[in-house]
Amino acid sequence: SQQGEEDPQALSIQEGENATMNCSYKTSINNLQWYRQNSGRGLVHLILIRSNEREKHSGRLRVTLDTSKKSSSLLITASRAADTASYFCATPTGAGSYQLTFGKGTKLSVIP
Amino acid sequence: DSGVTQTPKHLITATGQRVTLRCSPRSGDLSVYWYQQSLDQGLQFLIQYYNGEERAKGNILERFSAQQFPDLHSELNLSSLELGDSALYFCASSVTAGGSTDTQYFGPGTRLTVL
Repeated sequence: SQQGEEDPQALSIQEGENATMNCSYKTSINNLQWYRQNSGRGLVHLILIRSNEREKHSGRLRVTLDTSKKSSSLLITASRAADTASYFCATPTGAGSYQLTFGKGTKLSVIP
Repeated sequence: DSGVTQTPKHLITATGQRVTLRCSPRSGDLSVYWYQQSLDQGLQFLIQYYNGEERAKGNILERFSAQQFPDLHSELNLSSLELGDSALYFCASSVTAGGSTDTQYFGPGTRLTVL
């Protein structure tokens, strides 16, 4: 079952524009993580935001978390063609929170 | 490069066969996780090992099994393969047993095609 659901499923923007992706989840969480996956390759950890944090920055990335709405957003500013990838939110689930449950992802295309 | 290695990169086999996927975690990481990524199911957690012992189990079929060896590398065994087992299989590793703030580092994956 999916814990996180990303929205939109696909997003196409011009280079230099900002890209915003949203994630909604169902159960209480300790943290939420965002990963990037280039086509058919491994996932790269981007950022982790804890449940007591509302906003976090890392370079051109800004992540927000609203636990009351069970939602998170990932903003990529000044996008580049190299940002073209799929982006997934993931939350620790299961007993002991060992496993990550991923959403279906947002496919971002940045057009040069 | 995450430091997690997986072999082979690609595997093509027939239905009914058995295959073994191998993963070497990052140096110093004690946990290994296996995930399956398919078009219809997305990314699904299969199983986790910590320091040689099974720690958590997810949506892993009975036809699949895994183990972690004393040198901490892990193998995922898939048997009686079906067409629906065609997918990308990822291994990830982390320093500790897991838990809410442990970052998992993913390998490049093994693409399995069952014909």
